[in-house]
Amino acid sequence: EAGVTQSPTHLIKTRGQQATLRCSPISGHTSVYWYQQALGLGLQFLLWYDEGEERNRGNFPPRFSGRQFPNYSSELNVNALELEDSALYLCASSGGLAGGETQYFGPGTRLLVL
Amino acid sequence: AQSVTQLDSQVPVFEEAPVELRCNYSSSVSVYLFWYVQYPNQGLQLLLKYLSGSTLVKGINGFEAEFNKSQTSFHLRKPSVHISDTAEYFCAVSGSGSARQLTFGSGTQLTVLP
Repeated sequence: EAGVTQSPTHLIKTRGQQATLRCSPISGHTSVYWYQQALGLGLQFLLWYDEGEERNRGNFPPRFSGRQFPNYSSELNVNALELEDSALYLCASSGGLAGGETQYFGPGTRLLVL
Repeated sequence: AQSVTQLDSQVPVFEEAPVELRCNYSSSVSVYLFWYVQYPNQGLQLLLKYLSGSTLVKGINGFEAEFNKSQTSFHLRKPSVHISDTAEYFCAVSGSGSARQLTFGSGTQLTVLP
């Protein structure tokens, strides 16, 4: 069974640009979570989608947004990039609201903002 | 609100020695508890989880953890470590309903010495 996949593996952008990160969940999973792992800040929750709806949001500015598609894959968009957005962005999936307590992670997308 | 404290940021241990990585959590409601491992330049791999039932849970690679509700702890143990166990270990907690996202501790770097 394929795990969570993320693309691209690495992304280099300049300050002010927009970045789009993609995630495909494990087959059968309906929930997708996004986390940021920045140096010195640890792992922080960004966004949670389930069945196409945003279920919860972490303490991040509105320029961090996303969506979930009908096939349950997800996109994370970061607008007006700032240097401190440089981080590893991790996507996780779970079985959704009914019994989906366990999250399984992808390999991450490393974003570098110059 | 939930929080997780990993008391040791770095734990060096010799090969074949036992190890305990400590984790304490704070929550006003029932929680689910997890340990994840992160190898360099990779995503997070689930080691083990406590959802309900027996307080002693066994995971992959010979790791186990014990949920102690009175002490709000979920310490990770392994009786004999290998060089390949060198990695960063994260303790995490999640709730139910709209609080399904993970709250992580700051991580413990386990270094196994020959």
